[in-house]
Amino acid sequence: EDKVVQSPLSLVVHEGDTVTLNCSYEVTNFRSLLWYKQEKKAPTFLFMLTSSGIEKKSGRLSSILDKKELFSILNITATQTGDSAVYLCAVASQGGSEKLVFGKGTKLTVNP
Amino acid sequence: SAVISQKPSRDICQRGTSLTIQCQVDSQVTMMFWYRQQPGQSLTLIATANQGSEATYESGFVIDKFPISRPNLTFSTLTVSNMSPEDSSIYLCSVDSGRAGELFFGEGSRLTVL
Repeated sequence: EDKVVQSPLSLVVHEGDTVTLNCSYEVTNFRSLLWYKQEKKAPTFLFMLTSSGIEKKSGRLSSILDKKELFSILNITATQTGDSAVYLCAVASQGGSEKLVFGKGTKLTVNP
Repeated sequence: SAVISQKPSRDICQRGTSLTIQCQVDSQVTMMFWYRQQPGQSLTLIATANQGSEATYESGFVIDKFPISRPNLTFSTLTVSNMSPEDSSIYLCSVDSGRAGELFFGEGSRLTVL
């Protein structure tokens, strides 16, 4: 059974800190790994990773995938209170199904 | 990107009743997906709704409990039947962007069952 494990489950930091969120996975026929930010109810897309070692970057957020070790990290530098959210990691598998398997998420709280 | 509208945004329901959640997309899509997120848990796929055919349910979810309609390419409904407090969750509608598993999500429907 496909599985996604995120760590830590929660994290409290101060504004300006740098954080690293972890995601490990076990999936048959890996296709992509995705990161989402969930502030209230609807997750919003951050990154999609398909190749190892290629960093994706958007402002203060960056992410990288290691397909050999089956994990990904999401880095947020110079955190702001607006970064407070649950960050979800999900994996998609090949084979025609569009099903995503999600981890439980990391709840990030950034205090002023 | 797709714009997805869900109704209701939230509701408080009594045990034993049923509630239908509506999902409207601003463009035609082949597949629509219904997810559930119980408190403190990950998003779990309930079923995939294809227009013109019966929905495909994931393990642990059955049509009698979560009947789905898909009357056209822009609209779907999910009914949560005979609700119990364990059904208190956020229910999310989503569609595929066409890019390797990326999904667009609706705003979600937060149900509380008393």
